Amino acid sequence: DGGITQSPKYLFRKEGQNVTLSCEQNLNHDAMYWYRQDPGQGLRLIYYSQIVNDFQKGDIAEGYSVSREKKESFPLTVTSAQKNPTAFYLCASIRGTESYGYTFGSGTRLTVV
Amino acid sequence: AQSVTQLGSHVSVSEGALVLLRCNYSSSVPPYLFWYVQYPNQGLQLLLKYTSAATLVKGINGFEAEFKKSETSFHLTKPSAHMSDAAEYFCAVSLNNAGNMLTFGGGTRLMVKP
Repeated sequence: DGGITQSPKYLFRKEGQNVTLSCEQNLNHDAMYWYRQDPGQGLRLIYYSQIVNDFQKGDIAEGYSVSREKKESFPLTVTSAQKNPTAFYLCASIRGTESYGYTFGSGTRLTVV
Repeated sequence: AQSVTQLGSHVSVSEGALVLLRCNYSSSVPPYLFWYVQYPNQGLQLLLKYTSAATLVKGINGFEAEFKKSETSFHLTKPSAHMSDAAEYFCAVSLNNAGNMLTFGGGTRLMVKP
């Protein structure tokens, strides 16, 4: 079955550490997105990528980095510069045009310990 | 610029009662509109979408939504709530340029009382 796989489901980070969240899709979708979700704040866009080897900052890109070396993969690194990284992170992809809507992964919950 | 407003961050209904979740949008051109549902610690699942065909759109789990251009609304309804409908619901609108971007509302948490 096609879909988006996010791993790990739960991740714990110590202060000052970088961590990388994985997002893999086998839907042959061109565009991929990372969102951050905090209680009561909806979804906020971190980064997105329309094509391989290209990506753009979203609304809250500071303290995060991404790469898009393969169509299937769009990993997100949460760096030590992100002062409040504890949140639920969602990866999404879209087929071609916005009329199809996004397909979402099941999310990664990151907690700073 | 586009925006989406969901009125009411929390809605509580009794089991068997009508569910009405409100969504208003602003867009300079005819939009594509979506409703998503999210269960705890899960990703978002598409409930239904409007893409300029019929204005009354039927989705999964008995939900439907009506596009009303004059009111710039796309409210989500279900005639009879089930306990399993308790979740968070997000309305989203397309960004009408080449970005393939969706803009999300702040979400509405639906609680269903027995």
